[in-house]
Amino acid sequence: SQTIHQWPATLVQPVGSPLSLECTVEGTSNPNLYWYRQAAGRGLQLLFYSVGIGQISSEVPQNLSASRPQDRQFILSSKKLLLSDSGFYLCAWTSLGRSYGYTFGSGTRLTVV
Amino acid sequence: GEDVEQSLFLSVREGDSSVINCTYTDSSSTYLYWYKQEPGAGLQLLTYIFSNMDMKQDQRLTVLLNKKDKHLSLRIADTQTGDSAIYFCAETFSGGYNKLIFGAGTRLAVHP
Repeated sequence: SQTIHQWPATLVQPVGSPLSLECTVEGTSNPNLYWYRQAAGRGLQLLFYSVGIGQISSEVPQNLSASRPQDRQFILSSKKLLLSDSGFYLCAWTSLGRSYGYTFGSGTRLTVV
Repeated sequence: GEDVEQSLFLSVREGDSSVINCTYTDSSSTYLYWYKQEPGAGLQLLTYIFSNMDMKQDQRLTVLLNKKDKHLSLRIADTQTGDSAIYFCAETFSGGYNKLIFGAGTRLAVHP
C-alpha cells in the first residue's frame, strides 16, 4: 500500500534561518507531488507541484523553493525565513488518472519567531 | 478562473443533519471532492463524486451535485461530536497536472 511521510511534525525557527521540510512517498512510482500551505484560519494555498524528478512548478512567487531530487522525495526549502512563512505545510501525492484525489501527509506546523 | 467558495462556519446540534455547501467555477472538472481536517492533522478524503453523477451516498454522507449551478453539497446525517472538523470542497483543475483547487474550508461545530 502507498504511504506518505512528512517531517518534522513541528518546527520553531528564528527569522532569517534556513528551512528544509521533507516529504517521501512509498509504494508507488512517478507520483505527482504537491506542497500546500495553510495559514491560521485560512484555506489551502498551492505552493509547488511536481510531475517528475527535477520538474517543479511554482504557483505563488515567494520566499520558498522546492526540489525533487528523487522520484518519491519532495523537499520544501527557504534560505531565509520570514515571519509570514509561519503556517501549516502539507505535502500530498496523486497519480495521473487516480480518481480519488490526493493523499495528504500529516503536516508540519512551522512557527517563525 | 479557478475559484471554490464555501461558507466559513456551521454550527449544528448533535443528532441533527449538517449540510455544507460549496460553489465552484470550472465546469470541466472531472471529479469533485470533500476532505475533512481534524485539529492539527492533515486532510483526509471523505468522499468524491464524478461529474456525471447527481448524487452519491456513503453511509451517513450524501453528496449532491448540481452541474448547472456549479453547486456541491455534503450532507452528514445524525451529526456527532466526532464530526467537528473543517471540511474542504475541492475541484480538479482542467488545466491538467491533477491539480486540486480547494475552498477555504467550512468549520463544523457540533454541540450537545
